[in-house]
Amino acid sequence: AQKVTQAQTEISVVEKEDVTLDCVYETRDTTYYLFWYKQPPSGELVFLIRRNSFDEQNEISGRYSWNFQKSTSSFNFTITASQVVDSAVYFCALMGNTGTASKLTFGTGTRLQVTL
Amino acid sequence: DSGVTQTPKHLITATGQRVTLRCSPRSGDLSVYWYQQSLDQGLQFLIQYYNGEERAKGNILERFSAQQFPDLHSELNLSSLELGDSALYFCASSVVRAGQETQYFGPGTRLLVL
Repeated sequence: AQKVTQAQTEISVVEKEDVTLDCVYETRDTTYYLFWYKQPPSGELVFLIRRNSFDEQNEISGRYSWNFQKSTSSFNFTITASQVVDSAVYFCALMGNTGTASKLTFGTGTRLQVTL
Repeated sequence: DSGVTQTPKHLITATGQRVTLRCSPRSGDLSVYWYQQSLDQGLQFLIQYYNGEERAKGNILERFSAQQFPDLHSELNLSSLELGDSALYFCASSVVRAGQETQYFGPGTRLLVL
């Protein structure tokens, strides 16, 4: 069985602070995908990234960066110089890759509140 | 606007009924995902189709079924509805370029079962 843990239920930061959202996963699959999604207060879902398990390079996209560490089964997400518009619930997810049995499992989400 | 449309936006129905949710992907996107978000269960993956074929399956109940048609739109059928099926149902279409996938979400269908 696969599992995704987002231990931080809620984080509150002041604008311009850096913040890291933790994601720890469990899987027996040798290849898998990891995802991050954002859900702002308006309710829509926004896809942020998909990372393949054999690609351990860190990813940077503007103020967002992702740190994939296979050794610790973690896929953490950092927002640099946070802004009020970053306030949202962030979900981490894992898709095991076992052919037709692929399944996507979500964490419970981390609510990020960025204040002025 | 993501380019993914979902109809209807809202749906109110009674227990025991059957409903169909529709998703039109972005032009050219072959893959469609369905997700359910409820207060009780959180965000859950239901099923993924790729070019008409089922690609991955999640926590989709036997009362639920889905398909992707030749024109790539997808429908999620929910039958024998229960109160607990009340949720927000999202679909997403995706494209893979140079090994990188990007998913585009529709606005969701809010289902209320009374």
